[in-house]
Amino acid sequence: DVKVTQSSRYLVKRTGEKVFLECVQDMDHENMFWYRQDPGLGLRLIYFSYDVKMKEKGDIPEGYSVSREKKERFSLILESASTNQTSMYLCASHPTGYYEQYFGPGTRLTVT
Amino acid sequence: AQSVAQPEDQVNVAEGNPLTVKCTYSVSGNPYLFWYVQYPNRGLQFRLKYITGDNLVKGSYGFEAEFNKSQTSFHLKKPSALVSDSALYFCAVRDIYSGAGSYQLTFGKGTKLSVIP
Repeated sequence: DVKVTQSSRYLVKRTGEKVFLECVQDMDHENMFWYRQDPGLGLRLIYFSYDVKMKEKGDIPEGYSVSREKKERFSLILESASTNQTSMYLCASHPTGYYEQYFGPGTRLTVT
Repeated sequence: AQSVAQPEDQVNVAEGNPLTVKCTYSVSGNPYLFWYVQYPNRGLQFRLKYITGDNLVKGSYGFEAEFNKSQTSFHLKKPSALVSDSALYFCAVRDIYSGAGSYQLTFGKGTKLSVIP
């Protein structure tokens, strides 16, 4: 089975802190994605990556950056956390040529 | 640009009755369509997809969906609902003619399904 893991299920940070969210997949997938999920807004794509050291902006990249130094790991970085970044963050992956994405369990981030 | 609409925020159905969760989409070319389910405090789980071929797609746990190109719809259905089907359901679309970034999915806002015992 494909396994996508996220470093934390719940995280509480203070405004202005630098926050790292980690995602790891164990199936050698080329493509990885970061979404945020908010009630009434569904899932919105923040960043995605097709390969190591490669990144592309999604629909809402402002206030975020990403890093992909190894194929299995895709990190989302909040350079200076703000309260409007309180949300559920979901990571997903899939291999090239495949259609559906596989999701991690999510990280519920609260910024106070 | 691609988009997905799920017109109902919530659907309530009695256990044993048929259920339908609606989805309409917009793409410039031909679509790839997906349904995902999310249980509380969990990630999304893939349920079924339409890529090509038969318009009626059968997935796991008794779910099916019908692709209707003229109505640009991909409604999720199940003949007999179970209480355990209660969850948040997301429809997603991808345009097969997308260029760079072609693996991007666009998700609907979700429909909360409640199956009442």
